[in-house]
Amino acid sequence: AQKVTQAQTEISVVEKEDVTLDCVYETRDTTYYLFWYKQPPSGELVFLIRRNSFDEQNEISGRYSWNFQKSTSSFNFTITASQVVDSAVYFCALSENTGNQFYFGTGTSLTVIP
Amino acid sequence: DTAVSQTPKYLVTQMGNDKSIKCEQNLGHDTMYWYKQDSKKFLKIMFSYNNKELIINETVPNRFSPKSPDKAHLNLHINSLELGDSAVYFCASSQHLPGNPAPLHFGNGTRLTVT
Repeated sequence: AQKVTQAQTEISVVEKEDVTLDCVYETRDTTYYLFWYKQPPSGELVFLIRRNSFDEQNEISGRYSWNFQKSTSSFNFTITASQVVDSAVYFCALSENTGNQFYFGTGTSLTVIP
Repeated sequence: DTAVSQTPKYLVTQMGNDKSIKCEQNLGHDTMYWYKQDSKKFLKIMFSYNNKELIINETVPNRFSPKSPDKAHLNLHINSLELGDSAVYFCASSQHLPGNPAPLHFGNGTRLTVT
């Protein structure tokens, strides 16, 4: 069974629009960690955020914000006032209590049109 | 200084050949990984080593053999390359803390093309 689902395969927005990337996860562990990674067209994978299952506070970092809701098993990522440089594939990932294994979603390709 | 470096960046070879990809990290991490990213961008774990010990070995053809001479290095050797092996291979490292997984730090990837 897919542990991390990113239902949005591709999204296109016009610059300065806000966009939310969805991530739904599945786990039986009570302790787990969620991550977001960015893969720009240059190909490298860049870590954005880590959130543990006990911390449901939303997080904001500049134009980026993350909404963690355990009730719906979701960890959504919002980019405010999108810019062309935000164009990338974004991956959500889950690591369970053992910490050895990271389960990645299939990624959402975001294109920001100038 | 590059934290996780893998070489080569590009690898073009013919079917049936044997090739290796090298990975080194200077972060002092104790766990290293190989991931395969296919043409649809799907990231799939292949192997993971913790302090030179194999801890994750997903369903990967035995033509793929990882080797970890020390905890800072994890190399990937591929025998008898096939067309389906064409992909981008990412090395990653993290510091394994039981119950507290640290983020993965990825190398820049090796794009393998088998012709």
